[in-house]
Amino acid sequence: AQSVTQPDIHITVSEGASLELRCNYSYGATPYLFWYVQSPGQGLQLLLKYFSGDTLVQGIKGFEAEFKRSQSSFNLRKPSVHWSDAAEYFCAGPYNTDKLIFGTGTRLQVFP
Amino acid sequence: GAGVSQSPSNKVTEKGKDVELRCDPISGHTALYWYRQSLGQGLEFLIYFQGNSAPDKSGLPSDRFSAERTGGSVSTLTIQRTQQEDSAVYLCASSRGGATQYFGPGTRLTVL
Repeated sequence: AQSVTQPDIHITVSEGASLELRCNYSYGATPYLFWYVQSPGQGLQLLLKYFSGDTLVQGIKGFEAEFKRSQSSFNLRKPSVHWSDAAEYFCAGPYNTDKLIFGTGTRLQVFP
Repeated sequence: GAGVSQSPSNKVTEKGKDVELRCDPISGHTALYWYRQSLGQGLEFLIYFQGNSAPDKSGLPSDRFSAERTGGSVSTLTIQRTQQEDSAVYLCASSRGGATQYFGPGTRLTVL
């Protein structure tokens, strides 16, 4: 079945520390995948997307993600987290051609 | 503006009343989506419009929910006889018909 899973509900990091948010997918073929961020009271903002080609994708706000077929993963990374990165992060993949299915989200808390 | 806009940003209503939520997609985007985000829940797909095709209503939770899209642009999501469990953030997204969806800021609906 088509699915996207975010195993971590809540992650806490110190400002300046590195970050990795996990996303696992289950698809028969190579899917296109997205990461979105949602700040409190806001809609979802697209951070980055993977369609094909280079498996390391650069996004906005210093984020990157790596598509790993062997691990069925598309983890989001940032080398140094800023307090303003505190938000909820959603991984998404295709569902029935034209729709997206979202993971349940990972809430990131950043301590000074 | 250049992004997806939604109105109102907040709506408080009494149980049993009807509500209408509006979405203005990005100009030129042929596809429009509605999602619901309940407290502590992920994003739940509701309905999808693509051009002049019949909408995909497979995600609507009950017949109290309906949506229309006039002139291939603005969309209105209507909830009749609102219930407390309808309280949620309703998000609209649009795309060019490809995979990448761009989200509006959402409407927070509270049913008392």
